[in-house]
Amino acid sequence: SAVISQKPSRDICQRGTSLTIQCQVDSQVTMMFWYRQQPGQSLTLIATANQGSEATYESGFVIDKFPISRPNLTFSTLTVSNMSPEDSSIYLCSVVKANPTNTGELFFGEGSRLTVL
Amino acid sequence: GNSVTQMEGPVTLSEEAFLTINCTYTATGYPSLFWYVQYPGEGLQLLLKATKADDKGSNKGFEATYRKETTSFHLEKGSVQVSDSAVYFCALSEGRGSTLGRLYFGRGTQLTVWP
Repeated sequence: SAVISQKPSRDICQRGTSLTIQCQVDSQVTMMFWYRQQPGQSLTLIATANQGSEATYESGFVIDKFPISRPNLTFSTLTVSNMSPEDSSIYLCSVVKANPTNTGELFFGEGSRLTVL
Repeated sequence: GNSVTQMEGPVTLSEEAFLTINCTYTATGYPSLFWYVQYPGEGLQLLLKATKADDKGSNKGFEATYRKETTSFHLEKGSVQVSDSAVYFCALSEGRGSTLGRLYFGRGTQLTVWP
């Protein structure tokens, strides 16, 4: 399994500011993922963060808005830049751990609930 | 493309009632299918999974069978408990092993079980 800690767990932010969310994993993992869960909506993948390379962003998400760092195999940050009320969401960090049958399992942090006023 | 359509909630049941939450999917290949659960105040947890057609995933009394012919992965439990109250997400991935991670989620179904 994997234990994932996210900070902050929740925050209230002003329009136009930026906030950085931290994700710490209790073991080394190659791939880390950032998801967004907007109110009443499904989870959507923002980007994949691999250590030692640039993050790969999904359609509709750009690096200027959601810069990601991945300095080592246990840590990543996601910044939500120049926030607007539409960015009010839960942001979740996740990692994949391969298992003996190589089917893999995705583990999630508890999420960071951001409210932008 | 890939997508998951999940039964709209909320679902409200009495304890010991039978539960079905419908989930259908669209995929370009042969995906793995998952049910995740989010208990109040907690993160997402994997409930069960199935990696190929006709596989049945099961855990904590919940079951779901991967039906390729109907592109479905309905979640069932014969007798729900108050402690099953949570949000349930159906998801699929075309990845395997270390390439797993790009999940497509349904919108989630809120289940409330009354004593």
